Amino acid sequence: QVQLVQSGAEVRRPGSAVEVSCKASGGTFDTNAITWVRLAPGRGLEWLARIGPLLEITNYAQRFQDRVTVTADTSTNTAYMTLRGLTSEDTAIYYCARTQGDGSGYYFHYLDVWGNGTPVTVSS
Amino acid sequence: DIVMTQSPEYLGVSLGERATINCKSSQSILYSSDFRNYLAWYQHKPGQPPKLLIYWASTRESGVPDRFSGSGSGADFTLTISSLQAEDVAVYYCQQYYSSPHTFGGGTKVDIK
Repeated sequence: QVQLVQSGAEVRRPGSAVEVSCKASGGTFDTNAITWVRLAPGRGLEWLARIGPLLEITNYAQRFQDRVTVTADTSTNTAYMTLRGLTSEDTAIYYCARTQGDGSGYYFHYLDVWGNGTPVTVSS
Repeated sequence: DIVMTQSPEYLGVSLGERATINCKSSQSILYSSDFRNYLAWYQHKPGQPPKLLIYWASTRESGVPDRFSGSGSGADFTLTISSLQAEDVAVYYCQQYYSSPHTFGGGTKVDIK
């Protein structure tokens, strides 16, 4: 059974950037995608971006499109999310999640395996 | 973007009683070519990652107790917990995967009354 292991907690200054990694343990990304979701204090789950590793197709939520980049290294089964221009409103737990696809590498559906979460604190 | 609206925001239910959570999408998420509703439900407990409960609106994920069920079609959906247990205290989210971005509802906090 694939597990997703995320990098550890981060503390950043406003205006800086943070990179969070997500490694598949016990399996590969295969034809599935990796989606990035965050949970900020007092708010619900928020969808940020997705990458389909097989074809390197990415999708971004419009409000984050200018600040977030997602990549994947299929040789190490590791996905990365970089968020730039951090503000205090980016303080949140960031999750990666395996996204079931239809096998084509283009269409992706529900999130069936989640990483352990990476807390990111933005503070001066 | 498709907007997902959940109700209520908070639900207090006695142990053993039924809990019903509603989720409405701003447009139909029933795909005409395969007649499937592109909707999932997740359970989120503090200190843990979210857990997939239901996908395709009504298919229970492996290992999920059968007291959890999903129903609805088009733009109106429901998650039902038939007999609330103490371990079901959590925040529940619906998510559409019909079109990107795959937006979530605002969440419903379920607690023991």
